[in-house]
Amino acid sequence: DAKTTQPNSMESNEEEPVHLPCNHSTISGTDYIHWYRQLPSQGPEYVIHGLTSNVNNRMASLAIAEDRKSSTLILHRATLRDAAVYYCILRDSVSGATNKLIFGTGTLLAVQP
Amino acid sequence: NAGVTQTPKFQVLKTGQSMTLQCAQDMNHEYMSWYRQDPGMGLRLIHYSVGAGITDQGEVPNGYNVSRSTTEDFPLRLLSAAPSQTSVYFCASRSAGGLNEQFFGPGTRLTVL
Repeated sequence: DAKTTQPNSMESNEEEPVHLPCNHSTISGTDYIHWYRQLPSQGPEYVIHGLTSNVNNRMASLAIAEDRKSSTLILHRATLRDAAVYYCILRDSVSGATNKLIFGTGTLLAVQP
Repeated sequence: NAGVTQTPKFQVLKTGQSMTLQCAQDMNHEYMSWYRQDPGMGLRLIHYSVGAGITDQGEVPNGYNVSRSTTEDFPLRLLSAAPSQTSVYFCASRSAGGLNEQFFGPGTRLTVL
């Protein structure tokens, strides 16, 4: 499975945008980029996923580089409730049916009031 | 819908004891998985199931058994607990087909003395 690299931690101020980077230089053509987040003392929750084009949903936006070797999760206005560990995960669209999510250590996002 | 539920929330065992962690989902999902999360680390896949009667091993299956007799339930059995199995255990489910998001339970915090 291709691996991802994320910063260990980041800080943001409340109501400001946050850009969480992820490098995946060995991504294959069939790998989707998924983001999950884990709030303190909770299970992970799905945030967003994409393949090539930028994606938006109610929680966040996902910007994918043209060569797909990196991506950025964008939280448009951080709130205190967004403080969590954010995981960037690659899932092969072929073997993804095996339900296998490979979690790294993620980025711990701290949001200051 | 209750989503994915796990019981118990906390458990303390002595080395050598056995126990079963319960997981249930009410979303009629075909796929269910068990993960463990050690301090400061991401989640690692223990076992997974793609439907009733079908299970397979993940990354760290040793010391654990699973069965899937119904779509709703996916219990995880610790045969002879060891201190190395002290961890937080998460159950997850998702529907079949493609790369649908996974839904995680709240976790079971297990301590083995």
